[in-house]
Amino acid sequence: NAGVTQTPKFQVLKTGQSMTLQCAQDMNHNSMYWYRQDPGMGLRLIYYSASEGTTDKGEVPNGYNVSRLNKREFSLRLESAAPSQTSVYFCASSEGRGTQYFGPGTRLLVL
Amino acid sequence: GDSVTQMEGPVTLSEEAFLTINCTYTATGYPSLFWYVQYPGEGLQLLLKATKADDKGSNKGFEATYRKETTSFHLEKGSVQVSDSAVYFCALSGPWGGSEKLVFGKGTKLTVNP
Repeated sequence: NAGVTQTPKFQVLKTGQSMTLQCAQDMNHNSMYWYRQDPGMGLRLIYYSASEGTTDKGEVPNGYNVSRLNKREFSLRLESAAPSQTSVYFCASSEGRGTQYFGPGTRLLVL
Repeated sequence: GDSVTQMEGPVTLSEEAFLTINCTYTATGYPSLFWYVQYPGEGLQLLLKATKADDKGSNKGFEATYRKETTSFHLEKGSVQVSDSAVYFCALSGPWGGSEKLVFGKGTKLTVNP
């Protein structure tokens, strides 16, 4: 099993450009999450999806949108990237008992 | 709201030294508590967890005990190795009406020198 996979691994954008970060899990988990990690800030939840067809805002949702395409896939979209969105983005999934499984991350640089 | 406070790093130790990373939490109800570890260039992975008061989680020589009276979940290891160099995150989870969100501390970077 691959677990949680994320693409791309690294991306450079110019201010105002858009992009979609892809995430997929093969563990048949209902819940999926998007976090951003910034130095000294720990991980902050952007959006989450408790089940297929539902999404909810987390702590820092502004500037992002998400799509739960099916049970396996959960994408994060930046419509108009800003330098403040330079970060490392992690996707995670959960089996329902609190433990979350994380992908390897996407490093995003917005110039 | 619910929160996690962990000791700020970085922490630098020599191989075979004793490790303690402090973690305290604020939460309503009875959360589950976790330690996650992030090795350089990787995502987070679960190190250990405890789901109720007085439970002890353990894995790879690391231990942490869920102390409800002091709202703490300190991470300990008796003899660290160079391979333990990583960032360690304390976290808590639910119950929040079925939601499974985790609240993370800011992380503590550990460097172990040979």
